Amino acid sequence: DVVLTQSPLSLPVTLGQPASISCRSSQSLVHSDGNTYLNWFQQRPGQSPRRLIYKVSNRDSGVPDRFSGSGSGTDFTLKISRVEAEDVGVYYCMQGTHWPPTFGGGTKVEIK
Amino acid sequence: QVQLQQSGPGLVKPSQTLSLTCAISGDSVSSNNAAWNWIRQSPSRGLEWLGRTYYRSKWSNDYAVSVKSRITINPDTSKNQFSLQLNSVTPEDTAVYYCARVRGWGHYGMDVWGQGTTVTVSS
Repeated sequence: DVVLTQSPLSLPVTLGQPASISCRSSQSLVHSDGNTYLNWFQQRPGQSPRRLIYKVSNRDSGVPDRFSGSGSGTDFTLKISRVEAEDVGVYYCMQGTHWPPTFGGGTKVEIK
Repeated sequence: QVQLQQSGPGLVKPSQTLSLTCAISGDSVSSNNAAWNWIRQSPSRGLEWLGRTYYRSKWSNDYAVSVKSRITINPDTSKNQFSLQLNSVTPEDTAVYYCARVRGWGHYGMDVWGQGTTVTVSS
């Protein structure tokens, strides 16, 4: 199975400051159809995961534009341009290129 | 708006069967453009995809290798829901279990999630 390694494990951030989360894959996530199926999820405390971004950089409906995704091949990044209090939680990357789907271990974002 | 509502017991004895149900509103379990998944989350294993059921002219299932010998996911078209059965459970199966929808073949991940059910395996 594809292993997704996230860093850092924990990310203390000052309100209004940027945050960046890395996700590295054990193999290329470029699908045979040419697309790269790397997705990002947010899990707020006590809630179910929620998809934020699909196919590397496409924001889901209702997701603030302070969230952005980028990357290619095996290296991907989720950025929050200015962290707000509601962004506290754990963020997971997930790949849908190779079978079975797998998730990263998560990065916990907290306010300093 | 699609919603998934989970139900089932939160405590299961070792060696017994874990059974959960996920009721769908706003979509159909028989949709040709969706697949219906079970995922679990535990501190030791993180988020772990368990399996899915879907309809593409006929019903099909896919299961994770780690649970393949013990898992069954069934659709119930009369109630527009799907279920999870996990046999011969051990304390290692203690986790929060989620049902979730994926569109198409699932490349884009799960776009709708149930509320989660905490299942503890203990005597």
